[in-house]
Amino acid sequence: EILMTQSPATLSMSPGERATLSCRASQSISRNLAWYQQKPGQAPRLLIYGASTRATGIPPRFSGSGSGTVFTLTISSLQSEDFAVYYCQQYNNWYTFGQGTKLEMK
Amino acid sequence: EVQLLESGGGLVQPGGSLRLSCAASGFTFSDYAMSWVRQAPGKGLEWVSAISGPGGSTYYADSVKGHFTMSRDNLKNTVFLQMNSLRAEDTAVYYCAKEPHSAPGDAFDIWGHGTMVTVSS
Repeated sequence: EILMTQSPATLSMSPGERATLSCRASQSISRNLAWYQQKPGQAPRLLIYGASTRATGIPPRFSGSGSGTVFTLTISSLQSEDFAVYYCQQYNNWYTFGQGTKLEMK
Repeated sequence: EVQLLESGGGLVQPGGSLRLSCAASGFTFSDYAMSWVRQAPGKGLEWVSAISGPGGSTYYADSVKGHFTMSRDNLKNTVFLQMNSLRAEDTAVYYCAKEPHSAPGDAFDIWGHGTMVTVSS
């Protein structure tokens, strides 16, 4: 099973700041990585797939990068609606999710 | 509008059974693989099972293999999850999710709102 490790567990930031979330795979997954955003009481929403392609309707302040085992989600200028939990997911060998990064307002 | 609507959750005793349904609308259902993903209270996401678009192939996480069965009815645009021999650790919100291709193995582009399953005596 491919293990996905996200860091940090919690990120405290202010609106307007740049946020960088990390995700590491236990073995190479090429670019078969997705990022999801989940707000309390809601289903996850797909943000990024293929490591760097934004899903339909996702604003350009969200960007993804990486390949192999190391990946990053960057939010260029945080808006109030961006504070949520973010999960990475590999789909190179079935599916596993990271444990999540909670992005909270400072 | 593309939509997934789960139903069938509830409270069940350990060892009991439950059948979840997920009704799809707004897209050609039979063209796409579907999955179930669960989330225990306060925890992260765990993939449970997947089924190909035509429905001929199913896949399961090791944690549910042998006691969950996924199926679909492409005439009714619905996917199902039959859960038997339920255990406390199966307590979770269960989401159905759509993939962008007919074979499993991609990101989940559309999610339902989820249905809660509680296994407790």
